[in-house]
Amino acid sequence: QKEVEQNSGPLSVPEGAIASLNCTYSDRGSQSFFWYRQYSGKSPELIMFIYSNGDKEDGRFTAQLNKASQYVSLLIRDSQPSDSATYLCAVNTGGFKTIFGAGTRLFVKA
Amino acid sequence: NAGVTQTPKFQVLKTGQSMTLQCAQDMNHNSMYWYRQDPGMGLRLIYYSASEGTTDKGEVPNGYNVSRLNKREFSLRLESAAPSQTSVYFCASSDNNNEQFFGPGTRLTVL
Repeated sequence: QKEVEQNSGPLSVPEGAIASLNCTYSDRGSQSFFWYRQYSGKSPELIMFIYSNGDKEDGRFTAQLNKASQYVSLLIRDSQPSDSATYLCAVNTGGFKTIFGAGTRLFVKA
Repeated sequence: NAGVTQTPKFQVLKTGQSMTLQCAQDMNHNSMYWYRQDPGMGLRLIYYSASEGTTDKGEVPNGYNVSRLNKREFSLRLESAAPSQTSVYFCASSDNNNEQFFGPGTRLTVL
């Protein structure tokens, strides 16, 4: 079983809709959770991080964490074509090792 | 601020050749990392350096060596390249184990 699992997609949503990206992790001791966006041919860039159970909002983005269910999600409201990218979920399992999921490809249709 | 820089951007090697990938950051971060990214497998940690003077193995260290030259610079060396090392290599830095900032990547092909 992979330590960080994501649906590879592609997830296709119309412009203006809410995109919901999901991630599960296996290590119950995980402490820090990150969402990175990666455009094709580019490097990952951090868009959200969350450490505590519940929701964290930043502009159009909301990260949700449920440690009991070992589940992290990212909601993108009012999706734009410029949001089309691969979204990587990353989990810090303690110390200096962060495990990345393989990513979910998002396609926002104009 | 340039952030994290990497050289070269592209490289083609023959099997058995050696090369060093260079990485530098100007954010005064303590920790630096080397990852490889292969299709469908996400980012996998090769080596990391928690602070200047220390290095540790990650998930896939075989065939690689690293040097933390100073606080700014962290290099990755392939002593004898193999086709299985064809990948995109990313360097990253962070303030200890918090969010990481990535360089632009090196696209390496080993023939």
